[in-house]
Amino acid sequence: GIQVEQSPPDLILQEGANSTLRCNFSDSVNNLQWFHQNPWGQLINLFYIPSGTKQNGRLSATTVATERYSLLYISSSQTTDSGVYFCAPRYSSASKIIFGSGTRLSIRP
Amino acid sequence: EAQVTQNPRYLITVTGKKLTVTCSQNMNHEYMSWYRQDPGLGLRQIYYSMNVEVTDKGDVPEGYKVSRKEKRNFPLILESPSPNQTSLYFCAIRRVPTDTQYFGPGTRLTVL
Repeated sequence: GIQVEQSPPDLILQEGANSTLRCNFSDSVNNLQWFHQNPWGQLINLFYIPSGTKQNGRLSATTVATERYSLLYISSSQTTDSGVYFCAPRYSSASKIIFGSGTRLSIRP
Repeated sequence: EAQVTQNPRYLITVTGKKLTVTCSQNMNHEYMSWYRQDPGLGLRQIYYSMNVEVTDKGDVPEGYKVSRKEKRNFPLILESPSPNQTSLYFCAIRRVPTDTQYFGPGTRLTVL
């Protein structure tokens, strides 16, 4: 069946460190989004990235659709980056987006 | 950015007492949906709507109703809430042409 796998499940880093979060998906996608859920529960849209690379400040994302993975890079981490990061592809065969189980990121001051 | 509002943001209620969580958007988007988020189960879609008067079941529709009488509003109705509906609920819109999905701020519901 359709799967979305995110790794690592948990990541604890010191402030200032860099990190790479990975999302593997099992089929061809029409689009892919990355979300950040902050400690207050809000889901914030980070990137819409069905293919290629995008950057927004300290964050960037790359999707290689042919190899069925996406990466989210966070550089110079800040404590406000803490939370859960979700990858959510929309498969060509489906009308809805599928959420991965997330990567819980904790940035220590 | 697309604006999605939900009310109430927090609600504690008792089993069997009907409640409605409202969702509204200000950008005339056609697609709206409801999710619930539970620990260990992730985000699961409850219902979605492709347009006015067009609604369909998601993955976990049991115990919920929705209506879409006008484009901007998509309320979630729990006719007889039960404790297993205690959850964090999100309304979302999908923005064309990129198909980007945006979420409301969430409603934390506790059913005692």
